[in-house]
Amino acid sequence: DTAVSQTPKYLVTQMGNDKSIKCEQNLGHDTMYWYKQDSKKFLKIMFSYNNKELIINETVPNRFSPKSPDKAHLNLHINSLELGDSAVYFCASSLGPWNGNEQFFGPGTRLTVL
Amino acid sequence: AQSVTQLGSHVSVSEGALVLLRCNYSSSVPPYLFWYVQYPNQGLQLLLKYTSAATLVKGINGFEAEFKKSETSFHLTKPSAHMSDAAEYFCAVSAGTGNQFYFGTGTSLTVIP
Repeated sequence: DTAVSQTPKYLVTQMGNDKSIKCEQNLGHDTMYWYKQDSKKFLKIMFSYNNKELIINETVPNRFSPKSPDKAHLNLHINSLELGDSAVYFCASSLGPWNGNEQFFGPGTRLTVL
Repeated sequence: AQSVTQLGSHVSVSEGALVLLRCNYSSSVPPYLFWYVQYPNQGLQLLLKYTSAATLVKGINGFEAEFKKSETSFHLTKPSAHMSDAAEYFCAVSAGTGNQFYFGTGTSLTVIP
């Protein structure tokens, strides 16, 4: 009965590869997010979708492409992986895009680029 | 611009002692403020949130926070620390477009037996 789930939990890959991280929420929420947590534990938003529509797109390299096939899923595809992409990526969801809505976080995906 | 500042990247307290984790915010509009906890190798879990209903907010696990507009602060406290409280704590403000969260840099809490 996991609320926000991510797969895989760990991802180790070589520079230049392409990889995807999947996220699913069973809370019936309309809004989903991707965050990046760096090695110093700083969390920064990357993208947000509301009901499959992109509403937040921070200054992220265009090698990162989110896709929302439906409002319960938000996947993150990364092309041409670089060493600096190594981080923990968190998916989150909230009831809606209105300020003050609690965000529910997934367990994270630790990406290591060698 | 919206931002939060967490003073003290590392805080150590003895078991049973008061826990005080500091958070100051910068917001041009009435803020929505949150405290989250992150245990090792896990996601973030909501401790409590302020949405202007009451200035003293009670959360889970005995934590509470007081919103002080005059000091632009939202410090997190717990009267008596437990070993299980050892974790990373994040303050966040929700602002801007689409419920965007701006996180502080986090405070690592160590509880000494």
